[in-house]
Amino acid sequence: KNQVEQSPQSLIILEGKNCTLQCNYTVSPFSNLRWYKQDTGRGPVSLTIMTFSENTKSNGRYTATLDADTKQSSLHITASQLSDSASYICVVSHSGAGSYQLTFGKGTKLSVIP
Amino acid sequence: DSGVTQTPKHLITATGQRVTLRCSPRSGDLSVYWYQQSLDQGLQFLIQYYNGEERAKGNILERFSAQQFPDLHSELNLSSLELGDSALYFCASSRQPHGDANYGYTFGSGTRLTVV
Repeated sequence: KNQVEQSPQSLIILEGKNCTLQCNYTVSPFSNLRWYKQDTGRGPVSLTIMTFSENTKSNGRYTATLDADTKQSSLHITASQLSDSASYICVVSHSGAGSYQLTFGKGTKLSVIP
Repeated sequence: DSGVTQTPKHLITATGQRVTLRCSPRSGDLSVYWYQQSLDQGLQFLIQYYNGEERAKGNILERFSAQQFPDLHSELNLSSLELGDSALYFCASSRQPHGDANYGYTFGSGTRLTVV
């Protein structure tokens, strides 16, 4: 069964600190892995997209890593800001039955406090 | 503004009723995807259309149906509504039928459906 597991479920950090969110997946066959940021009540916004051959990708203060062998990904946030408070969702794209589909993790809810 | 427009933003209706959610994809995108997000749950894929044709089906209930029109906008119809159908319904669009590896999917802001 295709699954994406994220940890921790929630996280509270002080403004200015760094944090790392984890994503493990059992999706096959793997196409790409995406991290999204979802503000409360809003649609997810893409942060990074990584294919099988990419190990790391950065987008400003966000750095994602991918280990396709262990089927793990992480999202590292540097020098957190209050506006980073959101849910971060790991999404794995996989092919099957002639199409591609996305399997979503349940997300990590990050709260950045002053 | 992501370029994907969903209406209405909020909808409150009674059990047993039928509602229609609308999505206009980003300009140039031919694929439309519908997702359901219940409280504290991950997004669940419902259905995908590409250029007017159904492309893929997820965990969509028989009470739910969708279509994509010639102008590429899509509608999700939910009937015989139950309390458990209360959720955020998101539409996403992409240029290719299977998403774009470089640019991904673009999500709308969602429609919050409350069934009372």
